[in-house]
Amino acid sequence: RKEVEQDPGPFNVPEGATVAFNCTYSNSASQSFFWYRQDCRKEPKLLMSVYSSGNEDGRFTAQLNRASQYISLLIRDSKLSDSATYLCVDSGNSGGYQKVTFGTGTKLQVIP
Amino acid sequence: ETGVTQTPRHLVMGMTNKKSLKCEQHLGHNAMYWYKQSAKKPLELMFVYSLEERVENNSVPSRFSPECPNSSHLFLHLHTLQPEDSALYLCASSQVHSYEQYFGPGTRLTVT
Repeated sequence: RKEVEQDPGPFNVPEGATVAFNCTYSNSASQSFFWYRQDCRKEPKLLMSVYSSGNEDGRFTAQLNRASQYISLLIRDSKLSDSATYLCVDSGNSGGYQKVTFGTGTKLQVIP
Repeated sequence: ETGVTQTPRHLVMGMTNKKSLKCEQHLGHNAMYWYKQSAKKPLELMFVYSLEERVENNSVPSRFSPECPNSSHLFLHLHTLQPEDSALYLCASSQVHSYEQYFGPGTRLTVT
């Protein structure tokens, strides 16, 4: 089983739609979770952290479900500029440093 | 320039060449990372330096040799690479006790 698993997509959604991605992780000891965004041929950029209590930033909402070992990202009112690949990340302490494991990413294409 | 910078942005090298990738961070971080990103694969962590000491070497072949002369600079020395080493090489930095990593723009490497 992959450490961090995501549906690669692509998710093709019309502008204004709501879209949700899930990501499962295998390490029950993972401590922190993040969503990164990566535009085509660019570096990943931190989008938001994911907390057990949920985290909302404008149109973006991230949730963590530790019991089922998955995290989710909800995007409301999709914009064309949201088109990108969204990378799920889990992290935890490993041998004294913060080990970060990336998923392969879910591709989102917002259509006019 | 702010954030994390990488040079060169593009590199084409033969299998017998020796080259080096450079990364510099201007964020005051004290941990730095090298990642490899190949098509349709998750980001692969190669090396981690924490407080200028290497703390992780993820079974990377010896043809890749990292160097971290200080907390702001990280190098990846390359020699006798293989065509399958062609990929995007990303540098990232963070604070030692933080899981939030900031990436440079990457070096797109082609080995011929």
